[in-house]
Amino acid sequence: NAGVTQTPKFQVLKTGQSMTLQCAQDMNHNSMYWYRQDPGMGLRLIYYSASEGTTDKGEVPNGYNVSRLNKREFSLRLESAAPSQTSVYFCASSEVRGRTNEQYFGPGTRLTVT
Amino acid sequence: SQQGEEDPQALSIQEGENATMNCSYKTSINNLQWYRQNSGRGLVHLILIRSNEREKHSGRLRVTLDTSKKSSSLLITASRAADTASYFCATATLGGYQKVTFGIGTKLQVIP
Repeated sequence: NAGVTQTPKFQVLKTGQSMTLQCAQDMNHNSMYWYRQDPGMGLRLIYYSASEGTTDKGEVPNGYNVSRLNKREFSLRLESAAPSQTSVYFCASSEVRGRTNEQYFGPGTRLTVT
Repeated sequence: SQQGEEDPQALSIQEGENATMNCSYKTSINNLQWYRQNSGRGLVHLILIRSNEREKHSGRLRVTLDTSKKSSSLLITASRAADTASYFCATATLGGYQKVTFGIGTKLQVIP
């Protein structure tokens, strides 16, 4: 099993360009998440999808859109990139079962916006 | 806003010593989790402790939870150079398990 995969691993954008970060999981998890990680800020939730067909905003959704394409795939789109979106982006998935909800993370995408 | 805050933010110890990291949080929780992140990698789940548990062990890891003080500690015994990483606590707050909120992490360096 590959777990959670993300593409691309690295990306450089100019201000105003758009791009989509792709995420897929093969663990049959219902829930998927997008986080950004900035120095000294920990991980902040951008959007999440509790199940196929639903998406909800997290702590920092402005400037982003998401699509839960099917149970396996959850994409994050930057419509008009800004330097403030320079960050490392992580996708995660989890299966909320009983009182457990541990998350499984992808390797991350390092995005630089110039 | 961050729910959890780890303390210290950085810790440097010799191989074989024990490492203790603390996490404080603000609101009532369903569970608290600890994750490890090696440099340049994604986070890896280490251990989960439920709100009605006080202590949990997994190999060289020991986690305690004090809900009255809204705090948790992670102890790594007999540390190894391979334990060098950042460690994050994450909390699932009352009202749902769909989301967890991460702290800013403790950077642990284990010197061989």
